Amino acid sequence: GIQVEQSPPDLILQEGANSTLRCNFSDSVNNLQWFHQNPWGQLINLFYIPSGTKQNGRLSATTVATERYSLLYISSSQTTDSGVYFCAVVAGFQKLVFGTGTRLLVSP
Amino acid sequence: EPEVTQTPSHQVTQMGQEVILRCVPISNHLYFYWYRQILGQKVEFLVSFYNNEISEKSEIFDDQFSVERPDGSNFTLKIRSTKLEDSAMYFCASSESATVSYNEQFFGPGTRLTVL
Repeated sequence: GIQVEQSPPDLILQEGANSTLRCNFSDSVNNLQWFHQNPWGQLINLFYIPSGTKQNGRLSATTVATERYSLLYISSSQTTDSGVYFCAVVAGFQKLVFGTGTRLLVSP
Repeated sequence: EPEVTQTPSHQVTQMGQEVILRCVPISNHLYFYWYRQILGQKVEFLVSFYNNEISEKSEIFDDQFSVERPDGSNFTLKIRSTKLEDSAMYFCASSESATVSYNEQFFGPGTRLTVL
């Protein structure tokens, strides 16, 4: 099945710093989503981005489907950005295949 | 904004007991899913459901698991005889469609299941 790898696995930032999270996938995809899992365990939808670029406030994402990767940019990070960021893809029918996540800690 | 809801938020059960996890998907969505996340690990797909039938399931989803849409709003996951390794966060998700052109999935807040 499709493999989804995320890097880096852990990231520590000072408040106000910028960061780039990467998601690589091993096959062509029909769907790519980015999620933020907050400290309470909830999965928050960030982006639905099978291709192209989208922006939402301080966050933006780019997927280059032909090269099988997606990037999530976080600018001017805040402590509330802390948590785990997951990339997930649909390669076949419906199931989302999740990556192992990037754990982000933003310190004040 | 419409959202997926799940009940209960936490469930503690004894090994061998049956549990039913409940979900109310977004009202105009047609595709429903269950995923689980063992503590510290990634989220794993269990099953998808459309038109009152299972459309896809993983190898995790064995005979101990079943899903049902008992009425027009609820979607349930039943674990018949829980094992210690069933302890996990269970997420319900729904999507409006499942086509190549658009199939964004929206997740509920999860039910944390602890099997003792």
